[in-house]
Amino acid sequence: QQPVQSPQAVILREGEDAVINCSSSKALYSVHWYRQKHGEAPVFLMILLKGGEQKGHDKISASFNEKKQQSSLYLTASQLSYSGTYFCGTESSDAGGTSYGKLTFGQGTILTVHP
Amino acid sequence: DAGITQSPRHKVTETGTPVTLRCHQTENHRYMYWYRQDPGHGLRLIHYSYGVKDTDKGEVSDGYSVSRSKTEDFLLTLESATSSQTSVYFCAISELTAAYEQYFGPGTRLTVT
Repeated sequence: QQPVQSPQAVILREGEDAVINCSSSKALYSVHWYRQKHGEAPVFLMILLKGGEQKGHDKISASFNEKKQQSSLYLTASQLSYSGTYFCGTESSDAGGTSYGKLTFGQGTILTVHP
Repeated sequence: DAGITQSPRHKVTETGTPVTLRCHQTENHRYMYWYRQDPGHGLRLIHYSYGVKDTDKGEVSDGYSVSRSKTEDFLLTLESATSSQTSVYFCAISELTAAYEQYFGPGTRLTVT
């Protein structure tokens, strides 16, 4: 089943912060985050593994709560370049072995940053 | 950028015609994936490969077949294209490190008329 992302869309001014949430009904092994600009391929941002870790990359960070099967992506001091659609991809831990990276993606969150 | 190319980049075909899309990588990654992307559905996995000649179905595999005879090439075939297969198709590659981070090719826009 597809993970649910919220919000569906968010509009920001440069310098503002945003949080994008990803929630699954399945037990998760990992959560992947990608950003896609219009007409381009998705670009990998980061992976969070089972264990509840938090990662950061410049002003973009993420957390993973495996008990709640939720992940959140935090964008701080947003820049114009952050505009795009953000997808979470989840890898289930129900596979009983390796899943070979089979991801189920959320429907996406459209982020628009204005000057 | 990961060395992934897809061909063709754009294709228009008629209903009932067979179509083959090619994904080529120069990274020597073991894992390869085909996704389709449609408005409102995000990315959905069609088929994936975990080695040469090793493939398996994803969540939307009906009407599609794949083949992988070499590490670098992963082919997606629509045996008899239908209008519901009009979509943007992305190939992705991965190599297991801590997890299967995936890198996407530029995509193929397929229109079935």
